[in-house]
Amino acid sequence: GNSVTQMEGPVTLSEEAFLTINCTYTATGYPSLFWYVQYPGEGLQLLLKATKADDKGSNKGFEATYRKETTSFHLEKGSVQVSDSAVYFCALSASYQKVTFGIGTKLQVIP
Amino acid sequence: DVKVTQSSRYLVKRTGEKVFLECVQDMDHENMFWYRQDPGLGLRLIYFSYDVKMKEKGDIPEGYSVSREKKERFSLILESASTNQTSMYLCASSLFRTGGGRSQPQHFGDGTRLSIL
Repeated sequence: GNSVTQMEGPVTLSEEAFLTINCTYTATGYPSLFWYVQYPGEGLQLLLKATKADDKGSNKGFEATYRKETTSFHLEKGSVQVSDSAVYFCALSASYQKVTFGIGTKLQVIP
Repeated sequence: DVKVTQSSRYLVKRTGEKVFLECVQDMDHENMFWYRQDPGLGLRLIYFSYDVKMKEKGDIPEGYSVSREKKERFSLILESASTNQTSMYLCASSLFRTGGGRSQPQHFGDGTRLSIL
């Protein structure tokens, strides 16, 4: 079946540090890949997505590239801010309806 | 912007009670979903619906049922609540698109934190 693997964290960084959150996946066919973010007390919201190999999704300074050869979709940001503190979920969709989520990585950014 | 509204942010119920969680979306989405979120387990799909009166089991349907009488509303029912159903419940919706459906993102409500005593 489909699966998404990411570290749970927490990942603790100082403000302005470089962020990488690793995500690898297993899926049949050609899935779309997503990163969602969950701020404290809220539901998930879409951060970025990529729908085919070598696509790069980007939003709010975050980027991720769909790497089919390594089945990965790592999230990166060059300079994190305190306001980026949240839980980040990697996800894939290989069907018209269902999405498979990773367990979520908690990011804490300290001033 | 799509708005997904869950009827309660916090709910406390007793074991054995029948519990209803309500979710409404305002963007005419075909697909609606119920997840539970637990630490270390991420999001797990309970049920989803791709049309009115249609439903399919997700990964953990035991102890739950759902109802979708209208396109905009999707209800999760705990038939006889138990303490192991204490969790955060998230509702989501998405658009159905033939040929590009798997690229449609899901839109989430803010969640209902349910405690079963």
